[in-house]
Amino acid sequence: DTGVSQNPRHKITKRGQNVTFRCDPISEHNRLYWYRQTLGQGPEFLTYFQNEAQLEKSRLLSDRFSAERPKGSFSTLEIQRTEQGDSAMYLCASSSARSGGIGELFFGEGSRLTVL
Amino acid sequence: GIQVEQSPPDLILQEGANSTLRCNFSDSVNNLQWFHQNPWGQLINLFYIPSGTKQNGRLSATTVATERYSLLYISSSQTTDSGVYFCAVGETSGSRLTFGEGTQLTVNP
Repeated sequence: DTGVSQNPRHKITKRGQNVTFRCDPISEHNRLYWYRQTLGQGPEFLTYFQNEAQLEKSRLLSDRFSAERPKGSFSTLEIQRTEQGDSAMYLCASSSARSGGIGELFFGEGSRLTVL
Repeated sequence: GIQVEQSPPDLILQEGANSTLRCNFSDSVNNLQWFHQNPWGQLINLFYIPSGTKQNGRLSATTVATERYSLLYISSSQTTDSGVYFCAVGETSGSRLTFGEGTQLTVNP
């Protein structure tokens, strides 16, 4: 068990460019979460998957954001036409959710995005 | 949605001191976790504690779900304990964790 892995760890891009982040969860975990954290704040929920199904999206996830988990394993988070306000740490977590519960979440090291 | 309040927002200690961090939440929960965010930004699991008391070395945690609060105790603090501590809760009918704003702990030598 190698833990949750995120790539890239750091991304600097110019406003208007597209960026994609990848998350590899703990292998036996069926749930995968994306959170966003800005400086001095707690992480904010963006979206989550149960296996390959995207079951909930936050209103924070504008039309420029899209997330996929095509085979129920790794996930990607794409941001199109980046804006300076998108600069943040993007955190991925996974859990083995039991019936009626969330399970214990384990986070990756995060992907830090800077939009110039 | 559920509200999560952590106190104090900032705490400065001398090495060797003890401290208590508090997490209040506004609704029923069936999931509560404490995390320590390291200097590189990763959230490190400390406790999964929707109710009861747990201990792990110098750290312990207690959650009283009926009174909607949780406490994290740090004894004999060390400089490596510095960082931000987050409480995160999951509502009974919910599917995600909601985080508080964190407590910034600084332990001076």
